[in-house]
Amino acid sequence: QVQLVESGGGVVQPGRSLRLSCAASGFTFSNYGMHWVRQAPGKGLEWVAIIWHEGSIQYYTDAVKGRFTISRDNSKNTMFLQMNSLRAEDTGVYYCAKDLVMAVPYGMDVWGHGTTVTVSS
Amino acid sequence: DIQMTQSPSSLSASVGDRVTITCRASQGISNYLAWYQQKPGKVPKLLIYAASTLQSGVPSRFSGSGSGTDFTLTITSLQPEDVATYYCQKYNSAPFTFGPGTKVDIK
Repeated sequence: QVQLVESGGGVVQPGRSLRLSCAASGFTFSNYGMHWVRQAPGKGLEWVAIIWHEGSIQYYTDAVKGRFTISRDNSKNTMFLQMNSLRAEDTGVYYCAKDLVMAVPYGMDVWGHGTTVTVSS
Repeated sequence: DIQMTQSPSSLSASVGDRVTITCRASQGISNYLAWYQQKPGKVPKLLIYAASTLQSGVPSRFSGSGSGTDFTLTITSLQPEDVATYYCQKYNSAPFTFGPGTKVDIK
């Protein structure tokens, strides 16, 4: 079945880096845009970044621009989020999610179970 | 950037009640709007896309409407399993902002 599995979360000090991974299975990964969405403890959903299906286009929310980089390896059915200069406000559960429709953003129909990032000294 | 708002922020209704949640965009987004349901401790689930198209497997008591700046999510007969927070999201262009959420529980 269609599945997304995140990994790479953990506890990290402010200013340090972390790299999240999202392993996809059960669908043609290279046909779909992919997103990262995060949720701070007790808060709502915050869209973080998107990478187009072929990897040529990326967009970010202003809060992470210049610090986070989204990428993908279609040969390995895996997406990444490189997070640098981490701040306390980056703490939360990070979900990867798949676009509903091939090649264009259209809502996210499959979500992973999330990986937790805690930024604390 | 386009801002998304939702109202109310929370509501309490009885089983069988009709529930309506409103989402508003600060600029027109045509029908590029999705609705998600997140039950406590669970992963978000896509309910509706293109403002009014029901995602496969979602009960027909859920419906969406609207275009431009004003959108609604309606639950025609609230069920106990509908206790959740509901989010709208725009996807006409980046950033793909979520609304702040509406928490629904049973009276």
